Amino acid sequence: DAKTTQPPSMDCAEGRAANLPCNHSTISGNEYVYWYRQIHSQGPQYIIHGLKNNETNEMASLIITEDRKSSTLILPHATLRDTAVYYCIVKGSGYALNFGKGTSLLVTP
Amino acid sequence: DARVTQTPRHKVTEMGQEVTMRCQPILGHNTVFWYRQTMMQGLELLAYFRNRAPLDDSGMPKDRFSAEMPDATLATLKIQPSEPRDSAVYFCASGLVASPSTFGSGTRLTVV
Repeated sequence: DAKTTQPPSMDCAEGRAANLPCNHSTISGNEYVYWYRQIHSQGPQYIIHGLKNNETNEMASLIITEDRKSSTLILPHATLRDTAVYYCIVKGSGYALNFGKGTSLLVTP
Repeated sequence: DARVTQTPRHKVTEMGQEVTMRCQPILGHNTVFWYRQTMMQGLELLAYFRNRAPLDDSGMPKDRFSAEMPDATLATLKIQPSEPRDSAVYFCASGLVASPSTFGSGTRLTVV
């Protein structure tokens, strides 16, 4: 699986958009970009995933660059409940998720 | 919403005792994963199964850990004998090949 690079921590004001970057320059053509988050003491929670097109769901948007070497997870209106560790994972279909250290997002009032 | 159920939620045991953790995957999911989380190592993949057959258990210490799926509704992770360094939160997840995995709430294991 391709490795990913994420900033260790970020802050965001409540109500503002949170933009979490991820670099995955060694991604292969058949590998997807997945985002999960883990709120303290809970199991990881799926957010969104994509192959090459931008994706949006009720939780977030995923923007993947045209060369697929990086992506950005966007939480459009961050709330205090979005404070969590966010993991960007690249993997092929059918393989297991390999978690790195993620980005610790703190949403402040 | 469908959930992955893990039992027990918390377990405190003495060093040397056998520990069994159980996971009920979401009905219809054919892939089950076991992860371990510690402060030092983060989330580590221990093993995973597809259609009840082990696909990869390279992350699991073979001498004391074993993982099985007796049937499609139950996955077990056993540690025998347990050691203090096994203290961690153990997560089970289930999914289908081309779909995102769903995680359980975890079993917090403390070995004293």
